[in-house]
Amino acid sequence: AQKVTQAQTEISVVEKEDVTLDCVYETRDTTYYLFWYKQPPSGELVFLIRRNSFDEQNEISGRYSWNFQKSTSSFNFTITASQVVDSAVYFCALSELSGTYKYIFGTGTRLKVLA
Amino acid sequence: DGGITQSPKYLFRKEGQNVTLSCEQNLNHDAMYWYRQDPGQGLRLIYYSQIVNDFQKGDIAEGYSVSREKKESFPLTVTSAQKNPTAFYLCASSDGVRYGYTFGSGTRLTVV
Repeated sequence: AQKVTQAQTEISVVEKEDVTLDCVYETRDTTYYLFWYKQPPSGELVFLIRRNSFDEQNEISGRYSWNFQKSTSSFNFTITASQVVDSAVYFCALSELSGTYKYIFGTGTRLKVLA
Repeated sequence: DGGITQSPKYLFRKEGQNVTLSCEQNLNHDAMYWYRQDPGQGLRLIYYSQIVNDFQKGDIAEGYSVSREKKESFPLTVTSAQKNPTAFYLCASSDGVRYGYTFGSGTRLTVV
């Protein structure tokens, strides 16, 4: 069965610290897609990144980086030199090529960056 | 610009009333979704639709109803049968499994 686990419910860091948000997934498909979304206090979810199952290259975008490891079924998200504006809830999600259009979301990790 | 519009942003409902939340998209996406989010919680799927005139129940469909008469529109009705409707409701659309969701800005529903 498909499942996305974000074991960290809440993380607090001091500004300028690095922080990693964990995401572990389960799927029987060989072709699937993984996503990260950010939900700031305003409520709207913002797309951050998409990765397909055949592309295990790590991705870096400014202070954000993502580490995809099929061997451990993980798609972790690291924020370098965190800032107060990074405070949000972050969701990891999975979709499968053979599945319906219904995506599977993790329960989210609330990140608090303290000044 | 293409996107999803949810209205209203805030909605107050009296006990026993039905209310309808609007969701419109101009992205030409086939699939649309409704999620409910309670404070400090994750997203729970209420209904989704992969094509016009067809929709499926999600994990918490009881007390809700939807319609999909047009590709652009997927309104959600919160009926009086929904015991605890106070929550944040998010609408989303998707063009398939590869591309991710686009979310609306949400409607915060409060029962008074």
